Parts: sequence; C-alpha cells; structure tokens
Amino acid sequence: AQSVTQPDIHITVSEGASLELRCNYSYGATPYLFWYVQSPGQGLQLLLKYFSGDTLVQGIKGFEAEFKRSQSSFNLRKPSVHWSDAAEYFCAVGEDNAGNMLTFGGGTRLMVKP
Amino acid sequence: DVKVTQSSRYLVKRTGEKVFLECVQDMDHENMFWYRQDPGLGLRLIYFSYDVKMKEKGDIPEGYSVSREKKERFSLILESASTNQTSMYLCASSFPWGSETQYFGPGTRLLVL
Repeated sequence: AQSVTQPDIHITVSEGASLELRCNYSYGATPYLFWYVQSPGQGLQLLLKYFSGDTLVQGIKGFEAEFKRSQSSFNLRKPSVHWSDAAEYFCAVGEDNAGNMLTFGGGTRLMVKP
Repeated sequence: DVKVTQSSRYLVKRTGEKVFLECVQDMDHENMFWYRQDPGLGLRLIYFSYDVKMKEKGDIPEGYSVSREKKERFSLILESASTNQTSMYLCASSFPWGSETQYFGPGTRLLVL
C-alpha cells in the first residue's frame, strides 16, 4: 500500500525567507504526486502536480517541487515566503489503477513571522 | 472554474441522529470522494464513487454510507452519529484518470454532542 510522510508538523519562517516542505512517499511504480494548500476555513487548492516528464514542477503562487525518485521525495519550495502563504500544506500520491484515489500525508502547518 | 459545493459549513448534531452531508459539483466529473480531516492525520478517504449508483469503500468506511443518484451529487450519511465522528468532512470530484486533479469543496465541520 502506498503511504505519504510529511515529517514536519509545524514550520515557522520569517517573511521573505526561503521555504522547503518535505514529503516522502512509498509506492512501487512511478507515482502521481500532488501538493495542495488549505487556507484557514477553506477547502484544498492544488498548488502543483507531477505525473511525468521534467522532475522540477512549477506551480501557482511561486511554488515549485522536485521529484527525486532515488530519495522517494517530492519536496515543495518557495524562494521568498509571503505572509499570505501561512496555511496548511498537504502532499498526496495517486495511482493510475485505483480510480484516481489519493493518499495524503498528515500535513504541515506553515506560520510566517513578520 | 470548477465549483464543488457542500450543503453546510457547520453542523451540530446529537449522538444517535441521522446526518446527511451533501456535495454538488458542476464539472461533469465521473469521480466523487468523501474525506475526513483530523489534525495530524491528514485526509482519510471514507468512500468514493466512479459513476452514478456506484460506490467503493475507502480507508475508513465504518459508520458511514453514501448515495449517488445523480452524477453531480454525492451524499454522505451518518446513520447514527457518534461523538468520534466529530470532524471536518471534505468532498472532492475529478475526472477518472490518475493524473487528474481532485477539486475540493469548502468542507463541513461537524460537531456531534
């Protein structure tokens, strides 16, 4: 069975600093990988996804993520964090033969200091 | 833009009550999902449906049932609510292929007293 681990439950960064959120997955084949963001009181919004091709994926709001097969990782990065990025971030892995079901990590809550 | 709506943002129910949570999507998606979100546990799949009247159990189906009579509507039913079902419930929809994005509703926060 596939699984997703987000090792950091909480992260605090200063506004303008760089950000990296970690995601490790367990899956036998090439996975479909997603990052979603959830602002307070809201549903989840897709930031970016990887399913083939270039391992560096660009997303919305200036985010990017890199798929590293050798490390089973899909870390999310942003060069300069804005106060509006404070939210909870979820990494998810999907598989092709399961009706588009996703397995989510436990989430990382990002706080941004002024 | 894709729109997924949920019937209530907040609900308060009593133990033993029957609870209906409804979800509607406007993108003609085949797949619809119900998740439960709890702190530190991320999202866990309760049920999903890949077509009208079709349903599959997810990871935590116990205590829940679902109904999909129309393509755009997917209902989650708590037959007899219990306090351990207090949670945030999220609905999502997508096209059927693995690389497709799931689109989420705003969520229903359910409190069972």
